[in-house]
Amino acid sequence: ETGVTQTPRHLVMGMTNKKSLKCEQHLGHNAMYWYKQSAKKPLELMFVYSLEERVENNSVPSRFSPECPNSSHLFLHLHTLQPEDSALYLCASSQDLNRGSLGTEAFFGQGTRLTVV
Amino acid sequence: AQSVTQLDSHVSVSEGTPVLLRCNYSSSYSPSLFWYVQHPNKGLQLLLKYTSAATLVKGINGFEAEFKKSETSFHLTKPSAHMSDAAEYFCVVSDMFSGGYNKLIFGAGTRLAVHP
Repeated sequence: ETGVTQTPRHLVMGMTNKKSLKCEQHLGHNAMYWYKQSAKKPLELMFVYSLEERVENNSVPSRFSPECPNSSHLFLHLHTLQPEDSALYLCASSQDLNRGSLGTEAFFGQGTRLTVV
Repeated sequence: AQSVTQLDSHVSVSEGTPVLLRCNYSSSYSPSLFWYVQHPNKGLQLLLKYTSAATLVKGINGFEAEFKKSETSFHLTKPSAHMSDAAEYFCVVSDMFSGGYNKLIFGAGTRLAVHP
């Protein structure tokens, strides 16, 4: 559909579990992102991998850990989550231009609906 | 830092009537601006983008937006609403982390309802 595929689409996990979200992009882009979408809140950018470097958002708790083994794949490892972490997690990719220039549009996957019980 | 404000959290229109979704931005330099749409249980889809070319931007599904620098606005319009337009719409501005990494800043969203 969109060139960005996320799995699983739905995930229910307990607070003591460890799970991973997967994202794959088939667009040849060089930047990938994780966003969190909670009810009644704007989309929150969690992590960016741009030009093979990771940019951290300091407000993201350490129970979320990203991994980007190559430019086409992005993971979000989850452990000891809290119920307030329940949300739709969206992956996106874009073709970043030169460092220091404004980016182009991002292409989004369909998201993983995460429920923490 | 850049920011974006969507002035209406909910908009309701009748099928066949015009749609106006309002967005204002703040920017210290020439911005890139986008509108995205999200249908229920779906990811976000790009409707249109402005990147300092023509100020009137045409997008998919009959939507268009006009960049007005003097008003710092980027409102989304459509002449005639269709039932399938019911969704959430996000106005987005491009910004940077320190170090020059790009990021997209999302507005809070406007939920569009279309009535028969």
